[in-house]
Amino acid sequence: DTEVTQTPKHLVMGMTNKKSLKCEQHMGHRAMYWYKQKAKKPPELMFVYSYEKLSINESVPSRFSPECPNSSLLNLHLHALQPEDSALYLCASSSGGTETQYFGPGTRLLVL
Amino acid sequence: SQQGEEDPQALSIQEGENATMNCSYKTSINNLQWYRQNSGRGLVHLILIRSNEREKHSGRLRVTLDTSKKSSSLLITASRAADTASYFCATDGPISDYKLSFGAGTTVTVRA
Repeated sequence: DTEVTQTPKHLVMGMTNKKSLKCEQHMGHRAMYWYKQKAKKPPELMFVYSYEKLSINESVPSRFSPECPNSSLLNLHLHALQPEDSALYLCASSSGGTETQYFGPGTRLLVL
Repeated sequence: SQQGEEDPQALSIQEGENATMNCSYKTSINNLQWYRQNSGRGLVHLILIRSNEREKHSGRLRVTLDTSKKSSSLLITASRAADTASYFCATDGPISDYKLSFGAGTTVTVRA
């Protein structure tokens, strides 16, 4: 099974809302990632978890809060977002730092 | 940070023709990967080529890597309408720190 699943597929939220994005993989991968992608741009790395520990935070604003409850799950908690945070949020996983990353279908987020 | 640069930005070809896109990068790498993205969905891994490899094939895909020129090319032969997508190269850095740097992408349109 080389699938990474993400929920929800679409999310509309107001600037005062709190919501969470979820990601799951069952490939036994030790690394999981969150990316943000704006239209017609490449994905931008936000966070990397390695062995369930946060190893990379690419200076992401604190209104984005990642969580890795176990080796298969990755969450991204959202609070007090801005309209410019509207984007496609992609989750990925890999077996190692230089290996293939497997991406989920993404959550398309709209902040009003 | 975006290390890779791709050209052309966009490519329109007739079904059955070949499509070639190029990627250049700045620092030494362990691996270079190519991904495809259909219409704002998740990225699909196409091929990974290691720094000690010069050419790799997968089905209708051919990837070359020239580390002396810090460049790679992706050739899609006998293109199909289903190949219409954005294609991204992604490089890791000299340190295996889980970071992939994506190029700006090439948008390929295959006309029936």
